[in-house]
Amino acid sequence: AQTVTQSQPEMSVQEAETVTLSCTYDTSESNYYLFWYKQPPSRQMILVIRQEAYKQQNATENRFSVNFQKAAKSFSLKISDSQLGDTAMYFCAFMFPNFGNEKLTFGTGTRLTIIP
Amino acid sequence: GAGVSQSPRYKVAKRGQDVALRCDPISGHVSLFWYQQALGQGPEFLTYFQNEAQLDKSGLPSDRFFAERPEGSVSTLKIQRTQQEDSAVYLCASSLVRQSNTGELFFGEGSRLTVL
Repeated sequence: AQTVTQSQPEMSVQEAETVTLSCTYDTSESNYYLFWYKQPPSRQMILVIRQEAYKQQNATENRFSVNFQKAAKSFSLKISDSQLGDTAMYFCAFMFPNFGNEKLTFGTGTRLTIIP
Repeated sequence: GAGVSQSPRYKVAKRGQDVALRCDPISGHVSLFWYQQALGQGPEFLTYFQNEAQLDKSGLPSDRFFAERPEGSVSTLKIQRTQQEDSAVYLCASSLVRQSNTGELFFGEGSRLTVL
């Protein structure tokens, strides 16, 4: 079974600063996918960024980037130039590809607050 | 519809009552998932449908939980004889099965169940 660990329950940062959220995972699989999802107070989970384990290049999406260390089983999220709208819960998630059954295993989340 | 729609958004039940939670996925999405999110925790997988077939129900916590998707679109999660430990947000998500390699799920806003 896969496990996902987020060791930072809460974080806060000043607007426009950079913040890094940590995530580690445990799996015996070699091919898998990792995700960061954002959950604002409205509760709707939104995909932030995705990383395929077979790709060595770290994924980036505008202000969001990841540091994927496969050997260390680490998958951190960096948010640059943070904005007030980034305030939310952030969940790291793991998926083992099983055609059609994209079952996600989530961590416990990090509550991020951007301070004006 | 434009997004995944869930109803009711809030439900208060007395212990022992039965409840039904509805999910209307994005039109054309073959895969449908139910997750349970306890307060302060990450979502946990309950069950998965591909069209009308329930292919994975390994996450259902007890036989009081039952899910169906009879026509391959709308799904209902039913909880019988509710207990206080059933209090949680129930999230529904859908995806196009042919995009299984992307792993992107589209989530609804959830139904918050409170059992008194």
